[in-house]
Amino acid sequence: KNQVEQSPQSLIILEGKNCTLQCNYTVSPFSNLRWYKQDTGRGPVSLTIMTFSENTKSNGRYTATLDADTKQSSLHITASQLSDSASYICVVSDRGSTLGRLYFGRGTQLTVWP
Amino acid sequence: EADIYQTPRYLVIGTGKKITLECSQTMGHDKMYWYQQDPGMELHLIHYSYGVNSTEKGDLSSESTVSRIRTEHFPLTLESARPSHTSQYLCASSDRRSEAFFGQGTRLTVV
Repeated sequence: KNQVEQSPQSLIILEGKNCTLQCNYTVSPFSNLRWYKQDTGRGPVSLTIMTFSENTKSNGRYTATLDADTKQSSLHITASQLSDSASYICVVSDRGSTLGRLYFGRGTQLTVWP
Repeated sequence: EADIYQTPRYLVIGTGKKITLECSQTMGHDKMYWYQQDPGMELHLIHYSYGVNSTEKGDLSSESTVSRIRTEHFPLTLESARPSHTSQYLCASSDRRSEAFFGQGTRLTVV
């Protein structure tokens, strides 16, 4: 069964600190993996995309990694800001057909305290 | 800012009413999705479409129905709303790279 598991479920950190969020998946065949940020009451917005051949990708203070062998990804946030408080969702796309189905993790709820 | 729009943004209706949640995108995407999300919980796929006249049910059983008569339009209909339908409904479309663009959502309350 295609699944996406995220950990931790929730995380509280102090402003300025770094944190790492984890994503494990069993989706096969794998196409790509994206991390989304969802602010409260809004739709998710894409942060990064990782394809099979990519190991690391950065977008400002966000750095995503992918290990396609172990089917794990992480999202590292450096120098956290209050505006980073949101839910971070890992989404994996398959390529088993032309349909490109999306599989969503439950998300990690990040809270940054001043 | 993604060109995908949902209306209404908020809706409070009485039990038994028929409602239609609108979703439109101007990006020409073939794939569109409806997700249901309760506060603080994960997104659940309830319907998806891969093109005009193509609709499929998602992972979460839903009493709602959808239609896809035009590429840009993917409305969701509840024939008879019930309090258990109270939730946030998110519409999305995706491009060939599988990046999903989400609307702002419709927060539905059935009283």
